[in-house]
Amino acid sequence: QSVLTQPPSVSGAPGQRVTISCTGGSSNIGAGYDVHWYHQLPGTAPKLLIYANSNRPSGVPARFSGSKSGSSASLAITGLQAEDEADYYCQSYDSSLSGYVFGTGTKVTVL
Amino acid sequence: QVQLQESGPGLVKPSETLSLTCTVSGGSISNYYWSWIRQPPGGGLDYIGDIFYTGSTSYNPSLRSRVTISVDTSKNHFTLRLTSVTAADTAVYYCARVDNSGWTWGQGTLVTVSS
Repeated sequence: QSVLTQPPSVSGAPGQRVTISCTGGSSNIGAGYDVHWYHQLPGTAPKLLIYANSNRPSGVPARFSGSKSGSSASLAITGLQAEDEADYYCQSYDSSLSGYVFGTGTKVTVL
Repeated sequence: QVQLQESGPGLVKPSETLSLTCTVSGGSISNYYWSWIRQPPGGGLDYIGDIFYTGSTSYNPSLRSRVTISVDTSKNHFTLRLTSVTAADTAVYYCARVDNSGWTWGQGTLVTVSS
């Protein structure tokens, strides 16, 4: 079972803004470890969206943004597009487990 | 740009050992940590463990008794061994390069545990 909790699903109409939360604890996000975000289309490998809490790799549209506060992190998608329909995962490191942890995953649906 | 490719049997019998190799191309395996992750059908991502190029390892506590990750710098690849598999180990297995700028993933390979 994951130590990072995400909502199972979020949805929005095209053009709207949606946010996905990633709630951890004092041994992972709250301890200061960075959070990465990935999205995953069916049958494909996860693809990096945000690294180190709020940084976008080259090629990722600016409508994706990340933030972190306390023991939680968030991914925001503004100007939602049909192609954004996918599963989204957060990732961090956990010192009590001495290993990496992934969020439970969130399915984004574009209405 | 570094690329990773998983390889190994797609079907393993219950109680046997699952073995996969991740071959790294476009870059050296040195100076990085490398990880294995799996995803059961319809499920989320599960960290299996990781290895530094020197051979130092870290494993998910839930799998530690059955997992071994090793590295061969001369072949620029690292391997996963998972013993005593059951149907619950059926999953897509990914290898990845661990990086503070976000992980780079292989395409994944489906391993089914069935007799």
